[in-house]
Amino acid sequence: TQLLEQSPQFLSIQEGENLTVYCNSSSVFSSLQWYRQEPGEGPVLLVTVVTGGEVKKLKRLTFQFGDARKDSSLHITAAQTGDTGLYLCAGGRYNQGGKLIFGQGTELSVKP
Amino acid sequence: DSGVTQTPKHLITATGQRVTLRCSPRSGDLSVYWYQQSLDQGLQFLIQYYNGEERAKGNILERFSAQQFPDLHSELNLSSLELGDSALYFCASSIGRALDSPLHFGNGTRLTVT
Repeated sequence: TQLLEQSPQFLSIQEGENLTVYCNSSSVFSSLQWYRQEPGEGPVLLVTVVTGGEVKKLKRLTFQFGDARKDSSLHITAAQTGDTGLYLCAGGRYNQGGKLIFGQGTELSVKP
Repeated sequence: DSGVTQTPKHLITATGQRVTLRCSPRSGDLSVYWYQQSLDQGLQFLIQYYNGEERAKGNILERFSAQQFPDLHSELNLSSLELGDSALYFCASSIGRALDSPLHFGNGTRLTVT
């Protein structure tokens, strides 16, 4: 059962454009994480959000956790070619140890 | 470099065979996680060990087993392999045993079952 739905699945944009990736669930999570994965490598953690309504910024990336802790978004401002990659959201619950449920991912391609 | 080492990087084997994947966690990390990544299922949690003990379990098949040794390295054993087991298998490690510790992923073992 896929509990985290990411949209869009694929995104191809020009350098300088803005974009938003969504991660939605019908379930509540204690923690929501965003990862970026490049071909041939493992996912790399970008950010963790734990409080409903929380907003975190990482340079041109803005992450938001929904008030009800069921959804999250990743917004990239002025995308660069180096942002190209697979973006994954992952949710966890404190009563399930370190287990993370991953979304299917958003494949982002930023063209020069 | 995440500090998590997985061997081998690639593995090609036949159906019905058994393989062992190995993971050395980052220095100081006590938790080891195993994930399977395939095109149709995405990243699926298999199992977590913390300091040698099983901590959390996902939908890991009975044909699959894992353990964490006293030196904290871990092995994932896959037996009676089927074509559908072809996937990328990732190991990750963290300091703690819960969500408050960031995960560090290795670069995976690509398993091809022919």
